[in-house]
Amino acid sequence: DAGVIQSPRHEVTEMGQEVTLRCKPISGHDYLFWYRQTMMRGLELLIYFNNNVPIDDSGMPEDRFSAKMPNASFSTLKIQPSEPRDSAVYFCASRPFGKETQYFGPGTRLLVL
Amino acid sequence: DAKTTQPNSMESNEEEPVHLPCNHSTISGTDYIHWYRQLPSQGPEYVIHGLTSNVNNRMASLAIAEDRKSSTLILHRATLRDAAVYYCIRVTYNFNKFYFGSGTKLNVKP
Repeated sequence: DAGVIQSPRHEVTEMGQEVTLRCKPISGHDYLFWYRQTMMRGLELLIYFNNNVPIDDSGMPEDRFSAKMPNASFSTLKIQPSEPRDSAVYFCASRPFGKETQYFGPGTRLLVL
Repeated sequence: DAKTTQPNSMESNEEEPVHLPCNHSTISGTDYIHWYRQLPSQGPEYVIHGLTSNVNNRMASLAIAEDRKSSTLILHRATLRDAAVYYCIRVTYNFNKFYFGSGTKLNVKP
């Protein structure tokens, strides 16, 4: 299996622009998670889905952030408008039902100028 | 939400055992302790997890204190490839919410 796939791997944008991060979970995994990693706050869970339905979005920092999962093989995390403090590495992870392990993607490094 | 507490960094010699400590004094009775590690420019990867009893797998061992307020990840023979940031994570009973600590950066000397 190819593992969790994220795109783009790197993104540089200007403040105010819309940013869309993409994730393809491992086939057959029922849960999908979005995390953000910064030096100041470490790794934080933003939102997670079960069978394409958002279950807990309490970690989403502001209304500027939104996440969708239109089908079992694709999810997006959108930031609109982006701000410099959104600069971070964003990870997507997936987990199969009944298993304890989350499998993380390689991350998207976002820089907002 | 209470996070775990770990030393910022540790150093080990190659082929020697390494004990990575973690404090989780406010852990609830149903929370699991997971350990993941993160290599540079990669996502975290699973190492081991446990609830109350000590656990062993091919990568490491996990020793959990009887009162569950602390745990120790044991790498039996450190290799250069084990150099990474190791995270001790409080995980809810349904394995969906991970509360990461700040991690311990392990440096392995040849």
